[in-house]
Amino acid sequence: EIVLTQSPATLSLSPGERATLSCGASQSVTKNYLGWYQQKPGLAPRLLIYDVSRRATGIPDRFSGSGSGTDFTLTISRLEPEDFAVYYCQQYAHSPLTFGGGTRVEIK
Amino acid sequence: QVQLQESGPGLVRPSETLSLTCTASDDSIANYDYYWGWVRQPPGMGLEWIGHVFYSGNTNYNPSLKSRVTISLDTSKNQFSLKLRSVTAADTAVYYCTGGGGWLTDHWGQGTPVTVSS
Repeated sequence: EIVLTQSPATLSLSPGERATLSCGASQSVTKNYLGWYQQKPGLAPRLLIYDVSRRATGIPDRFSGSGSGTDFTLTISRLEPEDFAVYYCQQYAHSPLTFGGGTRVEIK
Repeated sequence: QVQLQESGPGLVRPSETLSLTCTASDDSIANYDYYWGWVRQPPGMGLEWIGHVFYSGNTNYNPSLKSRVTISLDTSKNQFSLKLRSVTAADTAVYYCTGGGGWLTDHWGQGTPVTVSS
């Protein structure tokens, strides 16, 4: 099983600032099958990024993903008020599919 | 874009079987090379993949739950279902039905809370 470790657990930032979220894998994620989800309280997760760097339909370009192998990053270039939420990475290359523990982006 | 909706009991007694159904808004379940599955989220915690079924009927389960889980399709009703046997309090969670091309999860239901308690 691939274990995904997200850091930091909590990120305290102000609107307009840049957010950098990390996701580390216990072994290489093949085919770049790594995605990022945003979850707000009481709602289902929403796909933001798939295949490491491809934005899902309707996702603004302030969200970007990068990385390869075992180290991946989600960057939010300028935080908007609606971006404060919990973010999860997921690998879908190997069974069982696994999620990271999440990073909470909160208003400073 | 297909919409997914979970349904089923919100309360299940310990040792019994949790049964949930997910209904798709159209006939995507039968007509696409999609995987249809379930993810759960215990209160205040992260996401756990339970398993999925391919449109052909082939299944893949999380080893941690494999001995207790069955996921199946009913294409005639545009539905797929989850059965989790011998539940305990540790199975209390919000259960999401999901769908996606390949193993990517890009469609989610709104989630349904299930509590295991006597």
